[in-house]
Amino acid sequence: KNEVEQSPQNLTAQEGEFITINCSYSVGISALHWLQQHPGGGIVSLFMLSSGKKKHGRLIATINIQEKHSSLHITASHPRDSAVYICAVKVRSGGSNYKLTFGKGTLLTVNP
Amino acid sequence: DVKVTQSSRYLVKRTGEKVFLECVQDMDHENMFWYRQDPGLGLRLIYFSYDVKMKEKGDIPEGYSVSREKKERFSLILESASTNQTSMYLCASRDADSYQETQYFGPGTRLLVL
Repeated sequence: KNEVEQSPQNLTAQEGEFITINCSYSVGISALHWLQQHPGGGIVSLFMLSSGKKKHGRLIATINIQEKHSSLHITASHPRDSAVYICAVKVRSGGSNYKLTFGKGTLLTVNP
Repeated sequence: DVKVTQSSRYLVKRTGEKVFLECVQDMDHENMFWYRQDPGLGLRLIYFSYDVKMKEKGDIPEGYSVSREKKERFSLILESASTNQTSMYLCASRDADSYQETQYFGPGTRLLVL
């Protein structure tokens, strides 16, 4: 079983729809990242959170530490939101070091 | 503006060749990482480095080695490239191992081994 599970794997939406991508993890973490990857490869960090909720523009990320679950929401989706969204958890890798463990990503396509 | 650059966007090599992938960051970050990304498998950590001349194996180090002679540069080496190393390779860097720090990714190198 993967330590980080994302759902859905693929998501197609119409412009303007509200979008939710889910991430569940099975390991103890110190923080969780949401990343965005556009075609061509570059990855951008959207959020890092360890509790509660963060908002940036039309993007909202929430995390429930007790349930080991996080969600990424996109309000009023737009075709330029089309990308792969990746959840990653920060776990201890020995001593005081940490590493990221990644979900497999959710491919979002927003049609005009 | 933070910047992580990788030496090539696309690379084609032959089986058995020695391949060098270079990554440079201009943010004075201590921590640097090499990942590969494959369809259906997501990002997987190959090697990472917490400081100059320090390296740690990630989840899939077999067939790879790394070099960190200077703080800003982290090289991934495929000693004898094989077709199963065809992949997208992504480099990332991060400031000191602080609780809240973000990883910054390079644009990726798409490697094809024939």
